[in-house]
Amino acid sequence: GQQLNQSPQSMFIQEGEDVSMNCTSSSIFNTWLWYKQDPGEGPVLLIALYKAGELTSNGRLTAQFGITRKDSFLNISASIPSDVGIYFCAGQGGSQGNLIFGKGTKLSVKP
Amino acid sequence: GAVVSQHPSRVICKSGTSVKIECRSLDFQATTMFWYRQFPKQSLMLMATSNEGSKATYEQGVEKDKFLINHASLTLSTLTVTSAHPEDSSFYICSATPGQGNYGYTFGSGTRLTVV
Repeated sequence: GQQLNQSPQSMFIQEGEDVSMNCTSSSIFNTWLWYKQDPGEGPVLLIALYKAGELTSNGRLTAQFGITRKDSFLNISASIPSDVGIYFCAGQGGSQGNLIFGKGTKLSVKP
Repeated sequence: GAVVSQHPSRVICKSGTSVKIECRSLDFQATTMFWYRQFPKQSLMLMATSNEGSKATYEQGVEKDKFLINHASLTLSTLTVTSAHPEDSSFYICSATPGQGNYGYTFGSGTRLTVV
């Protein structure tokens, strides 16, 4: 079945540093989504990407949909303590298809 | 923006009893809702997809008689864990989408189920 390889698995950074994480797949996805999940909460959508090659920003977050539709990255600039959490990439194959999730990247930010 | 309300947020039940979890779309009509299960430090695992007015589609390995899903209206889907066992203890999350097309998927805040 379809799988997403998300890396890194975890990151420990200093406040103010930039962060980059990515997801790759052997399958093509029509939509890539990036979510953040805090402990005990459901995932919250950060950025949605709908077109191959699309580069989208949301504040300090920037994400790109790979031109091959098989990968995506998420960058966080000037990290702050509230950026701590688990970030998931998710791909959707069809117009009403379910999401396939990556295994997550756990981000820790040291003040 | 789209809001999905999930209730309860936490529930503790005894083995052998059944527990119902509700997922409501508050400001949009959700033709499709998804139910996920998440174990500690792991990713979300899709359990089933429910479309309003029809039977849910379960993922391989998910027992449909144990995890009953009802999507009777465009704003409400329920997941009932029947005859719960301690191994059913997990974090259950629903998500909803208005329908076909490139719509963002909105997630509920999750339900922590503990079976004792």
